[in-house]
Amino acid sequence: GNSVTQMEGPVTLSEEAFLTINCTYTATGYPSLFWYVQYPGEGLQLLLKATKADDKGSNKGFEATYRKETTSFHLEKGSVQVSDSAVYFCALSEGRGSTLGRLYFGRGTQLTVWP
Amino acid sequence: EAGVTQSPTHLIKTRGQQATLRCSPISGHTSVYWYQQALGLGLQFLLWYDEGEERNRGNFPPRFSGRQFPNYSSELNVNALELEDSALYLCASSLGTLTGELFFGEGSRLTVL
Repeated sequence: GNSVTQMEGPVTLSEEAFLTINCTYTATGYPSLFWYVQYPGEGLQLLLKATKADDKGSNKGFEATYRKETTSFHLEKGSVQVSDSAVYFCALSEGRGSTLGRLYFGRGTQLTVWP
Repeated sequence: EAGVTQSPTHLIKTRGQQATLRCSPISGHTSVYWYQQALGLGLQFLLWYDEGEERNRGNFPPRFSGRQFPNYSSELNVNALELEDSALYLCASSLGTLTGELFFGEGSRLTVL
């Protein structure tokens, strides 16, 4: 079956530090991969996505590369800001058969950035 | 443009009661999705409605049900509430077929005592 495993938090960093949040997945087919972010008091929103192997998704200084050989989609940012403090969710979608219409989410990683 | 709105924000029920949660999608979005976010378990897919029809459901018992109205708003009903149903219920909408970009509401927190 499909599943997503992401590193457990919380992650605490100082401003301008480098961020990596690990995400690995299990899928029966060829999924699309996503990172969603939930800022305090807001709903989840799409941060970036990649739809096929070796694709790189990027947005707001965040990047993630779809690695089929390691079944990974790690989230990185070179220099985090206080405003990046949020919960980050890795997710996959296969979009076929019984999995149509559903996203499989990891448990979320809480990031706190201190000034 | 208004985002996805959910009501109520908080709901407290006792075991055995029924809960009804409501969701209004973004204008123009025809698909509505429901997810359960229980403490420590991440988001679990509950239901997907599109054009008024249930298109898919997750691994939840039949006492979790819902519907989508002609204006694309949706309702989630949970019957015979159990303590483990306590969770944040998130509604999301998308334009047409799922491409992965879901737009989420802030959720309805259900507490079962």
